[in-house]
Amino acid sequence: EAQVTQNPRYLITVTGKKLTVTCSQNMNHEYMSWYRQDPGLGLRQIYYSMNVEVTDKGDVPEGYKVSRKEKRNFPLILESPSPNQTSLYFCASSRTGRGYTFGSGTRLTVV
Amino acid sequence: LAKTTQPISMDSYEGQEVNITCSHNNIATNDYITWYQQFPSQGPRFIIQGYKTKVTNEVASLFIPADRKSSTLSLPRVSLSDTAVYYCLVGDKQNRDDKIIFGKGTRLHILP
Repeated sequence: EAQVTQNPRYLITVTGKKLTVTCSQNMNHEYMSWYRQDPGLGLRQIYYSMNVEVTDKGDVPEGYKVSRKEKRNFPLILESPSPNQTSLYFCASSRTGRGYTFGSGTRLTVV
Repeated sequence: LAKTTQPISMDSYEGQEVNITCSHNNIATNDYITWYQQFPSQGPRFIIQGYKTKVTNEVASLFIPADRKSSTLSLPRVSLSDTAVYYCLVGDKQNRDDKIIFGKGTRLHILP
């Protein structure tokens, strides 16, 4: 089944403890993207990637890192999480860069 | 980057046809129009995409007038399970100058 898989689905962590949210797609898509969704603020793009080793900042990149060493994976790294990064995170991928397939989401709580 | 304007919310009844209109006055020549559906705590789901005239798939139709300054998502014979937020996006391929941005969307509430 064609899909975008994020792990974990739920995560509670403490301030300052480095974490990684993994994202993998099995559709050989070139484009991948990370979003966060917060009440009243909608979906905001964190980082995106147009191909292997090609990444760029979205609208809210501060406090996040990404890497794209291989086409299928696009992990989101929080080096020192803070409570304001508590959010619902979505990874997405696209073949053309226009229509995206989204993952099921990762609900992160930073205490 | 073309900005989009959609109604904040809409109500309709089961079995009705629902039309959600999106305004995008500054759409660029290379821009496509894409609609997504999102249920609470789930990722957005791609519904339909078009460039001009009419596009139809198994779940919806997309009507785009000749000037492309607006578009209408049409959902035939809705059911309670169509209650969701619907997003209209306008843009070309994701790149540094043309980021794919979600607005606030339209909250569609289907009543029995």
